[in-house]
Amino acid sequence: GAVVSQHPSRVICKSGTSVKIECRSLDFQATTMFWYRQFPKQSLMLMATSNEGSKATYEQGVEKDKFLINHASLTLSTLTVTSAHPEDSSFYICSASRDIQNQPQHFGDGTRLSIL
Amino acid sequence: SQQGEEDPQALSIQEGENATMNCSYKTSINNLQWYRQNSGRGLVHLILIRSNEREKHSGRLRVTLDTSKKSSSLLITASRAADTASYFCATDPLFSGGYNKLIFGAGTRLAVHP
Repeated sequence: GAVVSQHPSRVICKSGTSVKIECRSLDFQATTMFWYRQFPKQSLMLMATSNEGSKATYEQGVEKDKFLINHASLTLSTLTVTSAHPEDSSFYICSASRDIQNQPQHFGDGTRLSIL
Repeated sequence: SQQGEEDPQALSIQEGENATMNCSYKTSINNLQWYRQNSGRGLVHLILIRSNEREKHSGRLRVTLDTSKKSSSLLITASRAADTASYFCATDPLFSGGYNKLIFGAGTRLAVHP
């Protein structure tokens, strides 16, 4: 199956630090990638849809200035958590999908972010 | 916001038994998908069933879809300890503004005991 690589897998940093998470589609070109946040024992919450060459589409309630998304190429999307605070601690997961109807999403392995 | 609900929230069974998880959703869909997540990992796609399909099989997995009731079920037969994971249904809503944007259910945590 398709492979999506997400890096880093774990980040521990001080409050006020900005953290960048990378999501790479390794074996297909992904015009669209998705970023999710997941709290312990809960479901995935879609944060934003990342579109190659254009601005990301954010879900209601997600601060676009807090969570900066860049999709500069067909294989790479990045999520930057700016000036992170303890409440931003969470599990962040990206996915990529071929732009054909009725296709599954292929997920990265997630990034565990802990802000001290 | 989450599209639907899953039940049960948690399921504990013995190896060899069957596990059934149910999913309900609210709006019309292009397709419904089931994913598996091991603890602390990303999601793995299991099965995609289109809105015009009623049943689909993949190995020990069987998925049904009833669009009139807006519900789906996932059956895992002859379960193994390695099936222990969280299982999520996800819907691709009609008119969502783009292909393959998914809305996830709350998930079912399955524990299979040796």
